[in-house]
Amino acid sequence: DVKVTQSSRYLVKRTGEKVFLECVQDMDHENMFWYRQDPGLGLRLIYFSYDVKMKEKGDIPEGYSVSREKKERFSLILESASTNQTSMYLCASSSNLVLYEQYFGPGTRLTVT
Amino acid sequence: KQEVTQIPAALSVPEGENLVLNCSFTDSAIYNLQWFRQDPGKGLTSLLLIQSSQREQTSGRLNASLDKSSGRSTLYIAASQPGDSATYLCAVIRVRANNLFFGTGTRLTVIP
Repeated sequence: DVKVTQSSRYLVKRTGEKVFLECVQDMDHENMFWYRQDPGLGLRLIYFSYDVKMKEKGDIPEGYSVSREKKERFSLILESASTNQTSMYLCASSSNLVLYEQYFGPGTRLTVT
Repeated sequence: KQEVTQIPAALSVPEGENLVLNCSFTDSAIYNLQWFRQDPGKGLTSLLLIQSSQREQTSGRLNASLDKSSGRSTLYIAASQPGDSATYLCAVIRVRANNLFFGTGTRLTVIP
């Protein structure tokens, strides 16, 4: 079974702090994704990566950056956290060889106070 | 831009009933469509994936259909159980894009 893990289930940070969210997948998938999920807005794509050191902006990249130094790990960085970044963050991965079926991690509930 | 709509937003049914969840999308140039389940406060679990060339996929009590020309998919759940209570999300991947476009989901409650 594909496993996608995220570093924290719950996180509380203060405004202005630098925040790192980490995601690891164990299936050698080429593609990794970061989404945020908010009530009434659904899931929105922040960034994705289709290879090591490659990244593409999604629909809402402002205020975020990402890092993919190794194939299995994809990090989301909030350079200076703000209260409007309080959300559920979901990581996913997919393989080009398997119809791009996406597998999700358990999510990180981030609260910025 | 691709838009994905799910109606109804919420649905309550008595245990044992068969039910259908609907998903519609505006751009028929899709590569595949995926149905997910999400329990409160949790991540997404993939239920079924339908390739654009397929008409339906089945897994246990679940059957998903796809009509690409009309921009519609349905998820049929047979003999519903309280454990089926969750939010169901559909998502499409457009041709030449490898990111998903999600609907906002249908919250299903199965009453014992």
